Amino acid sequence: AQSVTQLGSHVSVSEGALVLLRCNYSSSVPPYLFWYVQYPNQGLQLLLKYTTGATLVKGINGFEAEFKKSETSFHLTKPSAHMSDAAEYFCAVSEDSFSSGSARQLTFGSGTQLTVLP
Amino acid sequence: DSGVTQTPKHLITATGQRVTLRCSPRSGDLSVYWYQQSLDQGLQFLIHYYNGEERAKGNILERFSAQQFPDLHSELNLSSLELGDSALYFCASSRERQGGGYTFGSGTRLTVV
Repeated sequence: AQSVTQLGSHVSVSEGALVLLRCNYSSSVPPYLFWYVQYPNQGLQLLLKYTTGATLVKGINGFEAEFKKSETSFHLTKPSAHMSDAAEYFCAVSEDSFSSGSARQLTFGSGTQLTVLP
Repeated sequence: DSGVTQTPKHLITATGQRVTLRCSPRSGDLSVYWYQQSLDQGLQFLIHYYNGEERAKGNILERFSAQQFPDLHSELNLSSLELGDSALYFCASSRERQGGGYTFGSGTRLTVV
């Protein structure tokens, strides 16, 4: 079974400071990993994803994440926070077993609420 | 606009009632997933349909059911509603074999009173 742990349900950073949101996963097969962002009263928007290949993944809005297999981590970073980054962020894992007929549902972490202070 | 359309956006109903939530996937997407988001449970996978067939069930109550129609839109039926069913219900769609990831709709906020 797959699972995701997001360390820190709330993270506060100052505008212009580094953003680091932590995510650790558990998966019995090579995982697909995702970060989603949710703004108030909106759906989830895909920020970035890791499937195969380069372990450093760049996404939208200046975010990036690095897949570290040895640490089972997929932390999200952004060098300089902007007020518009304030939102809830979800890490998710999928065991892509479509070829075996299994569903490709995503398992989400519990989310991290990011607050950006002026 | 993500391309995934969910209706209605808001729904208020009484306990014991039945409601239907509707989802139109993004053009070309064959898979539809339903998720429930609540404060205490977070994002919980309910059910997955692919091209009209049920593929997987998650934490879906027996009072809940879903189907995907030939035109690929999907409906989630919630019956005998309880206060605890109040939540955001999201639909997402995906294109298989393209590296995963979903496109989410904006959700239906269900309030049971």
